[in-house]
Amino acid sequence: EPEVTQTPSHQVTQMGQEVILRCVPISNHLYFYWYRQILGQKVEFLVSFYNNEISEKSEIFDDQFSVERPDGSNFTLKIRSTKLEDSAMYFCASRPGLAPQETQYFGPGTRLLVL
Amino acid sequence: AQSVTQPDIHITVSEGASLELRCNYSYGATPYLFWYVQSPGQGLQLLLKYFSGDTLVQGIKGFEAEFKRSQSSFNLRKPSVHWSDAAEYFCAVGPYNQGGKLIFGQGTELSVKP
Repeated sequence: EPEVTQTPSHQVTQMGQEVILRCVPISNHLYFYWYRQILGQKVEFLVSFYNNEISEKSEIFDDQFSVERPDGSNFTLKIRSTKLEDSAMYFCASRPGLAPQETQYFGPGTRLLVL
Repeated sequence: AQSVTQPDIHITVSEGASLELRCNYSYGATPYLFWYVQSPGQGLQLLLKYFSGDTLVQGIKGFEAEFKRSQSSFNLRKPSVHWSDAAEYFCAVGPYNQGGKLIFGQGTELSVKP
């Protein structure tokens, strides 16, 4: 069964450094997402991406964050200058079509630790 | 504002016992409701979803959930828990627009005693 993959599984970085989290959504899916979960808190929506542009973003997704689909398979989240509070589990997800009831398929997550 | 509440942070049940995980939502329109499960080191896997029709929804791994509009609830149940069901369970609502954003509850961690 096709699945969403994410790399790396764990990332440790120093405050102020740039990080890029990578995701390979399921082939032929049209919508892509990033969510994050700070330890002990809810899974929070960050951004959705469709047709090579941001569809919606949350208040969390400020100028330090960016997303890109550099080729036909990868979907990346870049944090330009990491802060301690960016430490979290980051989940990528993809959805096959435009109908809102379509299932979002999640990857295993990247655990980011900012020191 | 849309929100999801899972009142139980952690639940422990004995293997073979029944299980009910609670989920309450606040949503301005007819909700789409989901239950996801996350096993250690794994992604969020969809257990079941409700969109319309029969309010009792069957999912994978023997789980079911019942949508009760009057109580704004979508509780997850399983008649007999297996040790492999130990995981974290997330209730989610949405999407309310084509963008597809989901709003999650805080999650309930399930432990299973032998």
